[in-house]
Amino acid sequence: AQSVTQLDSQVPVFEEAPVELRCNYSSSVSVYLFWYVQYPNQGLQLLLKYLSGSTLVKGINGFEAEFNKSQTSFHLRKPSVHISDTAEYFCAVSLTGTASKLTFGTGTRLQVTL
Amino acid sequence: GAVVSQHPSWVICKSGTSVKIECRSLDFQATTMFWYRQFPKQSLMLMATSNEGSKATYEQGVEKDKFLINHASLTLSTLTVTSAHPEDSSFYICSAKSGLDTGELFFGEGSRLTVL
Repeated sequence: AQSVTQLDSQVPVFEEAPVELRCNYSSSVSVYLFWYVQYPNQGLQLLLKYLSGSTLVKGINGFEAEFNKSQTSFHLRKPSVHISDTAEYFCAVSLTGTASKLTFGTGTRLQVTL
Repeated sequence: GAVVSQHPSWVICKSGTSVKIECRSLDFQATTMFWYRQFPKQSLMLMATSNEGSKATYEQGVEKDKFLINHASLTLSTLTVTSAHPEDSSFYICSAKSGLDTGELFFGEGSRLTVL
């Protein structure tokens, strides 16, 4: 079975500073990788996904992530954050060729302050 | 992108009553939908997989008699919390699979259930 580990439960950062949210996964087979963002009392919005091809994936709102197979990581980065990026971020994995059953990490709360 | 809508967004009910939450795919057909439960400040826990025209597949530990799932059409799945109790209070989120097997899911806005 696959699993996802988000090492940081909370990440405080000042506005306009860079940020990296860490995600590691475990799986014996190929996977698809995702980052979702959740604002308070809302559902999840897809930030970006890795299915195949280039290991550097660019998403919405200036976020990007890099798939590193040897380190089984899929860290999320943004070079300059805004107050509006304050939210909960979830890394998720699904097995390729399945019915999209996602396994989520425990989430990282990004808190951006002035 | 594909849109998934949940209704109601908020619901408060008395203990012992049943509550139905709807999940609709507005601009695509979803043969598979998923229901999640999220406790405060925690991740999403998959409750069940809902397949159109067949019985839902429940995750281990989820009571199928308490959480009734019906996927009667390609655009609608419902979750009914039967005989709700305060411990059932939670944020329930649905998602739907669209098209090719990219693994990508589209999520509803979530429904917050409070059982008094």
